[in-house]
Amino acid sequence: AQSVAQPEDQVNVAEGNPLTVKCTYSVSGNPYLFWYVQYPNRGLQFLLKYITGDNLVKGSYGFEAEFNKSQTSFHLKKPSALVSDSALYFCAVRQTGNRDDKIIFGKGTRLHILP
Amino acid sequence: GAVVSQHPSWVICKSGTSVKIECRSLDFQATTMFWYRQFPKQSLMLMATSNEGSKATYEQGVEKDKFLINHASLTLSTLTVTSAHPEDSSFYICSAVPGFEITDTQYFGPGTRLTVL
Repeated sequence: AQSVAQPEDQVNVAEGNPLTVKCTYSVSGNPYLFWYVQYPNRGLQFLLKYITGDNLVKGSYGFEAEFNKSQTSFHLKKPSALVSDSALYFCAVRQTGNRDDKIIFGKGTRLHILP
Repeated sequence: GAVVSQHPSWVICKSGTSVKIECRSLDFQATTMFWYRQFPKQSLMLMATSNEGSKATYEQGVEKDKFLINHASLTLSTLTVTSAHPEDSSFYICSAVPGFEITDTQYFGPGTRLTVL
């Protein structure tokens, strides 16, 4: 069964500094990886995904993520953090290429950007 | 495009009553919808996969008789919490997969906060 781990409950970063939110995964076969962001009392918003191709994936709001197969990681990054980036971030994995298949979410990492 | 709505956005009910939550895809048809629940400061827990015109597939540990799911059309899925109890209080979120587009993205609704007194 697939699983995803986000080792940090919370990450604090000063505004303007680069940020990284960590994610590792476990899945048999090729992984389909996603990052979502959730603002308070809101649903999830899609940020980016890795299906195949380049290991560096660019997404919404200046975020990017790097797929590393040997380390089974898919860390979310941004070169310069904004206060408005403060939110709850979820990494997720799907085991198959079937888009109707379920996605398993990590427990989430709360990102605090300090002004 | 690709907007998913939920109704109501919040609901308070008495213990023992039933509550229906609607999930609609507003500008696309969704052959598959998912229902999640989220406890405070925790991740999303998948409850069930809802397919249009067929019975929902429930995750292990989710009571299908308590959480009734109906996917009656390509734009609407409903979750009914029957005989609700305080422990059912949670944030319920649905997502939808566009049925006829080349996309891998699930689109999420804004969530419904259920409080059972």
